[in-house]
Amino acid sequence: EAGVVQSPRYKIIEKKQPVAFWCNPISGHNTLYWYLQNLGQGPELLIRYENEEAVDDSQLPKDRFSAERLKGVDSTLKIQPAELGDSAVYLCASSPAGTTGGELFFGEGSRLTVL
Amino acid sequence: AQRVTQPEKLLSVFKGAPVELKCNYSYSGSPELFWYVQYSRQRLQLLLRHISRESIKGFTADLNKGETSFHLKKPFAQEEDSAMYYCALYAQAAGNKLTFGGGTRVLVKP
Repeated sequence: EAGVVQSPRYKIIEKKQPVAFWCNPISGHNTLYWYLQNLGQGPELLIRYENEEAVDDSQLPKDRFSAERLKGVDSTLKIQPAELGDSAVYLCASSPAGTTGGELFFGEGSRLTVL
Repeated sequence: AQRVTQPEKLLSVFKGAPVELKCNYSYSGSPELFWYVQYSRQRLQLLLRHISRESIKGFTADLNKGETSFHLKKPFAQEEDSAMYYCALYAQAAGNKLTFGGGTRVLVKP
Protein backbone atom coordinates (compact mmCIF):
# COMPACT_ATOMS: atom_id res chain seq x y z
CA GLU A 1 0.00 0.00 0.00
CA ALA A 2 1.40 3.38 -0.97
CA GLY A 3 1.80 5.80 1.88
CA VAL A 4 1.07 9.50 2.00
CA VAL A 5 2.92 11.18 -0.85
CA GLN A 6 4.19 14.74 -0.68
CA SER A 7 5.99 16.93 -3.15
CA PRO A 8 8.33 18.62 -3.47
CA ARG A 9 10.57 17.10 -0.82
CA TYR A 10 12.77 20.18 -0.76
CA LYS A 11 12.17 23.75 -1.86
CA ILE A 12 14.43 26.78 -1.64
CA ILE A 13 12.96 30.16 -2.46
CA GLU A 14 13.65 33.81 -1.81
CA LYS A 15 11.45 35.74 0.57
CA LYS A 16 8.30 37.24 -0.90
CA GLN A 17 8.08 34.46 -3.48
CA PRO A 18 5.11 32.07 -3.55
CA VAL A 19 5.40 28.35 -2.89
CA ALA A 20 3.01 25.42 -3.03
CA PHE A 21 3.08 21.94 -1.54
CA TRP A 22 1.08 18.99 -2.72
CA CYS A 23 -0.18 15.98 -0.80
CA ASN A 24 -1.80 12.74 -1.91
CA PRO A 25 -3.23 10.85 1.07
CA ILE A 26 -3.59 7.12 1.45
CA SER A 27 -6.43 5.84 -0.71
CA GLY A 28 -9.69 5.80 1.21
CA HIS A 29 -8.52 8.12 3.98
CA ASN A 30 -11.10 10.86 4.26
CA THR A 31 -9.30 12.98 6.87
CA LEU A 32 -6.28 14.99 5.79
CA TYR A 33 -4.01 17.16 7.92
CA TRP A 34 -1.31 19.72 7.27
CA TYR A 35 1.21 20.16 10.06
CA LEU A 36 4.08 22.62 10.44
CA GLN A 37 7.27 21.44 12.09
CA ASN A 38 9.87 24.01 13.04
CA LEU A 39 13.42 22.91 13.76
CA GLY A 40 13.69 21.25 17.14
CA GLN A 41 9.95 21.28 17.78
CA GLY A 42 7.03 18.92 17.46
CA PRO A 43 4.49 19.15 14.64
CA GLU A 44 1.76 21.79 14.97
CA LEU A 45 -1.57 21.48 13.21
CA LEU A 46 -2.29 24.02 10.48
CA ILE A 47 -5.50 22.65 9.01
CA ARG A 48 -7.64 19.53 9.06
CA TYR A 49 -9.99 18.37 6.31
CA GLU A 50 -12.87 15.95 6.51
CA ASN A 51 -13.31 15.03 2.86
CA GLU A 52 -13.30 18.39 1.07
CA GLU A 53 -14.39 20.45 4.08
CA ALA A 54 -11.86 22.31 6.19
CA VAL A 55 -13.18 21.56 9.69
CA ASP A 56 -10.32 23.13 11.65
CA ASP A 57 -8.24 25.95 10.16
CA SER A 58 -7.91 27.97 13.35
CA GLN A 59 -4.10 27.75 13.32
CA LEU A 60 -3.65 28.60 9.65
CA PRO A 61 -2.23 32.13 9.14
CA LYS A 62 -4.80 33.16 6.61
CA ASP A 63 -3.07 36.36 5.56
CA ARG A 64 -0.46 34.40 3.64
CA PHE A 65 -1.39 30.71 3.85
CA SER A 66 -4.15 28.98 1.95
CA ALA A 67 -5.11 25.38 1.41
CA GLU A 68 -7.54 23.44 -0.67
CA ARG A 69 -8.69 19.87 -1.05
CA LEU A 70 -10.72 19.71 -4.20
CA LYS A 71 -12.75 16.52 -4.64
CA GLY A 72 -11.75 15.38 -1.18
CA VAL A 73 -8.55 13.61 -2.22
CA ASP A 74 -5.36 15.54 -3.03
CA SER A 75 -4.56 18.73 -1.18
CA THR A 76 -2.42 21.78 -1.83
CA LEU A 77 -0.95 24.15 0.74
CA LYS A 78 0.19 27.53 -0.54
CA ILE A 79 2.22 30.34 0.99
CA GLN A 80 2.16 33.75 -0.67
CA PRO A 81 4.34 35.64 -0.02
CA ALA A 82 6.83 33.53 1.90
CA GLU A 83 8.73 35.02 4.82
CA LEU A 84 12.02 33.99 6.40
CA GLY A 85 10.16 32.55 9.39
CA ASP A 86 8.29 30.13 7.16
CA SER A 87 11.39 27.98 6.82
CA ALA A 88 10.26 24.65 8.24
CA VAL A 89 9.06 21.18 7.33
CA TYR A 90 5.46 20.94 6.16
CA LEU A 91 3.95 17.56 6.96
CA CYS A 92 0.85 16.06 5.45
CA ALA A 93 -0.98 13.23 7.20
CA SER A 94 -4.15 11.27 6.68
CA SER A 95 -6.37 8.94 8.65
CA PRO A 96 -9.27 6.67 7.74
CA ALA A 97 -12.79 7.04 8.99
CA GLY A 98 -13.64 5.05 12.08
CA THR A 99 -10.28 5.37 13.80
CA THR A 100 -9.38 7.53 16.74
CA GLY A 101 -8.19 10.95 15.68
CA GLY A 102 -4.79 10.27 17.16
CA GLU A 103 -3.72 7.58 14.67
CA LEU A 104 -2.23 9.44 11.75
CA PHE A 105 -0.21 8.31 8.75
CA PHE A 106 2.41 10.89 7.80
CA GLY A 107 4.15 11.74 4.58
CA GLU A 108 7.88 12.37 4.36
CA GLY A 109 7.39 16.10 4.53
CA SER A 110 8.33 19.07 2.39
CA ARG A 111 11.29 21.04 3.70
CA LEU A 112 11.09 24.73 2.87
CA THR A 113 14.03 27.11 3.07
CA VAL A 114 13.31 30.80 2.60
CA LEU A 115 16.36 32.96 1.86
CA ALA B 1 -6.07 24.17 25.96
CA GLN B 2 -4.14 20.94 25.98
CA ARG B 3 -0.38 20.88 26.29
CA VAL B 4 2.26 18.16 26.04
CA THR B 5 5.70 18.54 27.60
CA GLN B 6 8.74 16.39 26.98
CA PRO B 7 11.37 17.76 29.35
CA GLU B 8 14.36 15.97 27.83
CA LYS B 9 15.61 17.09 24.43
CA LEU B 10 18.27 14.39 24.34
CA LEU B 11 18.70 11.04 26.04
CA SER B 12 21.94 9.17 25.57
CA VAL B 13 22.21 5.61 26.85
CA PHE B 14 24.38 2.59 26.27
CA LYS B 15 23.10 -0.48 24.50
CA GLY B 16 21.43 -2.81 26.97
CA ALA B 17 20.66 -0.09 29.47
CA PRO B 18 17.11 0.92 30.36
CA VAL B 19 15.65 4.03 28.79
CA GLU B 20 12.71 6.14 29.93
CA LEU B 21 11.31 9.07 27.99
CA LYS B 22 9.20 11.43 30.04
CA CYS B 23 5.93 12.92 28.86
CA ASN B 24 3.65 15.15 30.88
CA TYR B 25 0.39 16.60 29.71
CA SER B 26 -2.18 19.14 30.77
CA TYR B 27 -5.79 18.56 29.85
CA SER B 28 -8.89 18.68 31.98
CA GLY B 29 -10.80 15.93 30.22
CA SER B 30 -10.05 12.29 29.35
CA PRO B 31 -7.32 12.28 26.74
CA GLU B 32 -5.93 9.61 24.51
CA LEU B 33 -2.14 9.46 24.54
CA PHE B 34 0.20 8.28 21.83
CA TRP B 35 3.91 7.90 21.16
CA TYR B 36 5.20 8.57 17.65
CA VAL B 37 8.72 7.79 16.43
CA GLN B 38 10.84 9.09 13.58
CA TYR B 39 13.89 7.07 12.62
CA SER B 40 16.66 8.69 10.60
CA ARG B 41 15.52 9.45 7.05
CA GLN B 42 12.08 7.94 7.67
CA ARG B 43 8.66 9.43 8.15
CA LEU B 44 6.97 10.02 11.45
CA GLN B 45 5.03 6.93 12.46
CA LEU B 46 2.84 5.74 15.30
CA LEU B 47 4.68 3.62 17.88
CA LEU B 48 1.98 2.90 20.42
CA ARG B 49 -1.26 4.15 21.95
CA HIS B 50 -2.28 3.98 25.59
CA ILE B 51 -5.67 2.41 24.96
CA SER B 52 -4.04 -0.68 23.46
CA ARG B 53 -1.85 -1.33 26.50
CA GLU B 54 0.53 -3.14 24.17
CA SER B 55 4.27 -3.52 23.95
CA ILE B 56 5.78 -2.49 20.63
CA LYS B 57 9.46 -3.18 19.88
CA GLY B 58 9.92 -3.75 23.62
CA PHE B 59 8.50 -0.33 24.52
CA THR B 60 5.66 0.17 26.97
CA ALA B 61 3.91 3.26 28.26
CA ASP B 62 1.44 3.63 31.10
CA LEU B 63 -1.01 6.45 31.40
CA ASN B 64 -0.93 7.91 34.92
CA LYS B 65 -3.89 10.23 35.21
CA GLY B 66 -2.96 11.27 38.75
CA GLU B 67 0.43 12.52 37.63
CA THR B 68 -0.80 13.42 34.13
CA SER B 69 2.09 11.49 32.64
CA PHE B 70 2.63 8.97 29.86
CA HIS B 71 6.27 7.95 30.08
CA LEU B 72 7.77 5.59 27.51
CA LYS B 73 10.03 2.82 28.79
CA LYS B 74 12.22 0.06 27.47
CA PRO B 75 14.26 -2.17 29.78
CA PHE B 76 17.10 -2.91 27.36
CA ALA B 77 17.80 -0.29 24.71
CA GLN B 78 19.09 -1.35 21.29
CA GLU B 79 21.06 0.69 18.78
CA GLU B 80 18.12 0.60 16.38
CA ASP B 81 16.06 2.49 18.97
CA SER B 82 18.04 5.64 18.18
CA ALA B 83 15.42 8.07 16.87
CA MET B 84 13.23 11.08 17.66
CA TYR B 85 10.27 10.29 19.88
CA TYR B 86 7.17 12.45 20.17
CA CYS B 87 4.45 12.17 22.75
CA ALA B 88 1.02 13.26 21.55
CA LEU B 89 -2.39 13.90 23.09
CA TYR B 90 -5.70 13.54 21.29
CA ALA B 91 -8.68 15.37 22.68
CA GLN B 92 -11.98 14.73 20.98
CA ALA B 93 -13.73 17.21 23.23
CA ALA B 94 -11.26 19.91 22.26
CA GLY B 95 -11.93 19.90 18.56
CA ASN B 96 -10.52 16.49 17.66
CA LYS B 97 -7.02 17.88 17.86
CA LEU B 98 -3.77 15.90 18.11
CA THR B 99 -1.17 17.92 20.02
CA PHE B 100 2.50 16.94 19.98
CA GLY B 101 5.26 17.49 22.49
CA GLY B 102 8.59 18.96 21.47
CA GLY B 103 10.25 15.58 21.06
CA THR B 104 13.14 13.69 22.64
CA ARG B 105 16.12 12.47 20.68
CA VAL B 106 17.34 9.08 21.87
CA LEU B 107 20.88 8.04 21.10
CA VAL B 108 21.85 4.47 21.95
CA LYS B 109 25.58 4.01 22.03
CA PRO B 110 27.26 0.65 21.37
